[in-house]
Amino acid sequence: DTGVSQDPRHKITKRGQNVTFRCDPISEHNRLYWYRQTLGQGPEFLTYFQNEAQLEKSRLLSDRFSAERPKGSFSTLEIQRTEQGDSAMYLCASSPKGAISDTQYFGPGTRLTVL
Amino acid sequence: TQLLEQSPQFLSIQEGENLTVYCNSSSVFSSLQWYRQEPGEGPVLLVTVVTGGEVKKLKRLTFQFGDARKDSSLHITAAQPGDTGLYLCAGAQNYGGSQGNLIFGKGTKLSVKP
Repeated sequence: DTGVSQDPRHKITKRGQNVTFRCDPISEHNRLYWYRQTLGQGPEFLTYFQNEAQLEKSRLLSDRFSAERPKGSFSTLEIQRTEQGDSAMYLCASSPKGAISDTQYFGPGTRLTVL
Repeated sequence: TQLLEQSPQFLSIQEGENLTVYCNSSSVFSSLQWYRQEPGEGPVLLVTVVTGGEVKKLKRLTFQFGDARKDSSLHITAAQPGDTGLYLCAGAQNYGGSQGNLIFGKGTKLSVKP
């Protein structure tokens, strides 16, 4: 198993453009999470899926952000009309079905820079 | 609101020294994870602690979960340059059996000099 993968690893865009990131969780992990991390901070929760259902969304997830997990496998995070404040590392994590603990395994992240 | 406070924020030590990093909260967590993160990469899981008072060892790293499940510590013995990185603690607060998000501290940036 290759772990959680994210694509692209880096994205540079101009303010006002739309961007989409993809996350492939560890195979058979039914829970998938998105976080955002800015410089000098720990990751902050954005949203969480169990299979294809989006069960929780943070107040950080403004209406310009949308996330999907259509078949309960990979997920996409789209940011519309990007702003400079959206510049951050976007992290995806997954967790196995029936896990006793809350352990989450993270991908390498997508670094977004909005010019 | 910062629910998890990590200290120190920065730590620079010489190879061979011992160190302890603390993670404190006024909230109770159902479990707590420690991660290490390199620049430009995602956090890599080191350990999960679940039971109050639990102690786990991973080679030169010793992790402890407080009896009340509100705090944790990470102790590194004989630090090596390869231990350099950002150490993050993250707590989970589950309600009704569902598995939600992790709450992270700001991290401790460790530098071990040869």
